[in-house]
Amino acid sequence: DAKTTQPPSMDCAEGRAANLPCNHSTISGNEYVYWYRQIHSQGPQYIIHGLKNNETNEMASLIITEDRKSSTLILPHATLRDTAVYYCIVRGPWGGKLIFGQGTELSVKP
Amino acid sequence: DTAVSQTPKYLVTQMGNDKSIKCEQNLGHDTMYWYKQDSKKFLKIMFSYNNKELIINETVPNRFSPKSPDKAHLNLHINSLELGDSAVYFCASNPSGGFNSPLHFGNGTRLTVT
Repeated sequence: DAKTTQPPSMDCAEGRAANLPCNHSTISGNEYVYWYRQIHSQGPQYIIHGLKNNETNEMASLIITEDRKSSTLILPHATLRDTAVYYCIVRGPWGGKLIFGQGTELSVKP
Repeated sequence: DTAVSQTPKYLVTQMGNDKSIKCEQNLGHDTMYWYKQDSKKFLKIMFSYNNKELIINETVPNRFSPKSPDKAHLNLHINSLELGDSAVYFCASNPSGGFNSPLHFGNGTRLTVT
């Protein structure tokens, strides 16, 4: 399974866009990029995933570079409730297991 | 509410005891998982079941024994508890083991072994 690299922490001002980067230079052609987040004392929450194209849903946007070696999760208008650890995960072959790294601890400040 | 639910939320016990954590999902999913989150916040997969059959068994001591009575339930039984078993255990499920099905997680069971 491809590994990911994320900055350990980031700050973002409330109301501004939060851009969380992720490197996954060893990703295989059939592997998806998934993003989850974990708010303190809760279970991980699915945010978004993609293969090649950029994706958007009600929570966030996912931008994947053309070579697929990196991606960026965008929270367009961060709120205090978005303070959490964000995990970028490359999904392995069938078996469904997610391998979590250290993630990025995002602090949204007033 | 549709969800992945775990019981108990907190579990404090002494070394050497045997304990169980229960997980139920009413999402109609085929696959269920157990993850362990240690004090350093690393989330690691332990087991996965698909339609009551074990499909993933990571390097976990055999004191840990998952049981799936039906596809909506995956319980975790732990024998002879040790201090190092203290962690938060998360149950999760998804519709299938394929690429395009996100996992839904429960809110965890915090196990403290004294």
